[in-house]
Parts: sequence; structure tokens; C-alpha cells
Amino acid sequence: DAKTTQPNSMESNEEEPVHLPCNHSTISGTDYIHWYRQLPSQGPEYVIHGLTSNVNNRMASLAIAEDRKSSTLILHRATLRDAAVYYCIPFTGNQFYFGTGTSLTVIP
Amino acid sequence: GAVVSQHPSRVICKSGTSVKIECRSLDFQATTMFWYRQFPKQSLMLMATSNEGSKATYEQGVEKDKFLINHASLTLSTLTVTSAHPEDSSFYICSARPSGLAGAGELFFGEGSRLTVL
Repeated sequence: DAKTTQPNSMESNEEEPVHLPCNHSTISGTDYIHWYRQLPSQGPEYVIHGLTSNVNNRMASLAIAEDRKSSTLILHRATLRDAAVYYCIPFTGNQFYFGTGTSLTVIP
Repeated sequence: GAVVSQHPSRVICKSGTSVKIECRSLDFQATTMFWYRQFPKQSLMLMATSNEGSKATYEQGVEKDKFLINHASLTLSTLTVTSAHPEDSSFYICSARPSGLAGAGELFFGEGSRLTVL
């Protein structure tokens, strides 16, 4: 299973963009890169996922490196409701393992 | 969007009793469901992968006789914590993936079930 490395924590000012990095250098060719976030005492929430091309949705953008060994989740304008732990997870469809994630603090 | 429902959201039980947690996919069929436990300020730990109509696949170190998983239908999986002890107190979370999408499909997570064993 591909291992991931994410910063333990990051801070952002409200309404500023946030770039959350993830290294997944052992990713396999068939792994999709998934991002989820979790608020305290809640189940994780899907954010975005992609395979090779950059992806955009209403929540965020996902930039995937050309060699696929890293990716960056981009929140275009952080809000207080974006404060959560963000996880990147390579996934082929079998086991779905969480790493330690990045705890994002949004400063008003 | 798709919804996964867990029940109960909170349960308190006495040591030695068994507790069943249900996980339902409300508007899609899920061949595969995952069960996690999470201790305070820690990440989610995968306990087992539940496949409809077959035995669950347990992660190393997870006792299959203690954490019984049944996935009898495409919309329901259950986790039973047998002979619960205080160290089993944790936040249990299930997730489900719509059938046929493999890694391309997103996972949907339940709200979690907080178990407290007295």
C-alpha cells in the first residue's frame, strides 16, 4: 500500500487560498488519489479525487504532479468551516488506509 | 448525494456485554464496506473490509472473534463488539463504496458510533 506524508498541521487566514501538500512516492499506477476531511466527532467527508489530470469541483481543486508522486489540495478561499483534518489516500479499490493527515486551522 | 447511515450514534454498555452497530447505504448498493475505529486525537484505523456474501477480511492485529462483521445484503453491514471491555471504548466508523467503481469511486462515510464501555 502506498504510504503518504503530509504536514501535521497548517494554518490559513480566512478567505485566503490554502495549499495542502501530500507526498505519495510509492503510489501504484492504478491508484486514484483521494482526499477526505474530518471534523471532530464526525465521519470523514469526501473532498475530491483524481488519477492523473488536475481536477476541480465546487469544494476544491486537486493538482497532481506529472510523476504522480505528490499532489496538492487547493482550497481557493478558506472559511472557518474548512477547519478540519485533511487526509490524502491512494486507492485502487481494495483497502482504504488513512494516514495521519494535516490539521488545518483557519484564522478569522 | 449518497448517504451512509450508522446506528446507534452513541452507545453505553456494561463490561462483558455485546454491542451491535449497523451501517446502511441508503441510496446505493455497496459490495464493499469498511470498518474503522478511531481513538481521541488519532487517525482512523482500518479494522476490516466487509464484502457482501463472504467473510470479512480483517487487518493484522484485529481479533475477528471479538469484532464480528456481517455483510448480509448490499445495503447493510453490521459490526458486533462481543464481550466488550473498557479498552474497546472508541469511535467506530463505517464507509461504503458504490459497487463497480473500484478506485475511481468515492467512499461515503457514516456519522460514526461512539461506544463507551463501563
